[in-house]
Amino acid sequence: DAKTTQPTSMDCAEGRAANLPCNHSTISGNEYVYWYRQIHSQGPQYIIHGLKNNETNEMASLIITEDRKSSTLILPHATLRDTAVYYCIVRVLNTNAGKSTFGDGTTLTVKP
Amino acid sequence: GAGVSQSPSNKVTEKGKDVELRCDPISGHTALYWYRQSLGQGLEFLIYFQGNSAPDKSGLPSDRFSAERTGGSVSTLTIQRTQQEDSAVYLCASSSPLGGGGNEQFFGPGTRLTVL
Repeated sequence: DAKTTQPTSMDCAEGRAANLPCNHSTISGNEYVYWYRQIHSQGPQYIIHGLKNNETNEMASLIITEDRKSSTLILPHATLRDTAVYYCIVRVLNTNAGKSTFGDGTTLTVKP
Repeated sequence: GAGVSQSPSNKVTEKGKDVELRCDPISGHTALYWYRQSLGQGLEFLIYFQGNSAPDKSGLPSDRFSAERTGGSVSTLTIQRTQQEDSAVYLCASSSPLGGGGNEQFFGPGTRLTVL
């Protein structure tokens, strides 16, 4: 799996958009970008994934650059409950994808 | 449907004892993963199952660690002769490419292991 790099921490004001960047410059053509988050004392929770097109679901939007070397997770209206560690990983999309390499993630703190 | 469940939620043991941690994946999920997370750290991959076989055991830290999966469902992670450095949260996840999903991993709540 390609390595990803993320900022250690970020702050965001409640109600504002949170934009979390991720660099994955060594991503392969068949690897997808996945985002997870981990709220304190819970297991990680899947948020969204994408290959090259921008994606949106009820939780977030994912913007992937044209060269696929970086991406941004956008929480459009952050709430206090969005305070968590956000992990960006890359992995292939098949049954034998195997392990995912989770880095240290970005600790997002949403402030009132 | 039910998510991934793990038991026990907390386990306190004495150094040198053996422990067994259990994971019940989401029904029908063919892939199962074990990770370890030490306090304040990211996730450390341990082992991956596809069905009952384990094509990737590369993350098991020593021969004191073993895991098995039976019937393509429940998995047990066993740690023999526990050491204090084994203290961590052990997380299990499962995934399936079926059902229109994206092979994303669904995680359980974890087992917090404390070795005294």
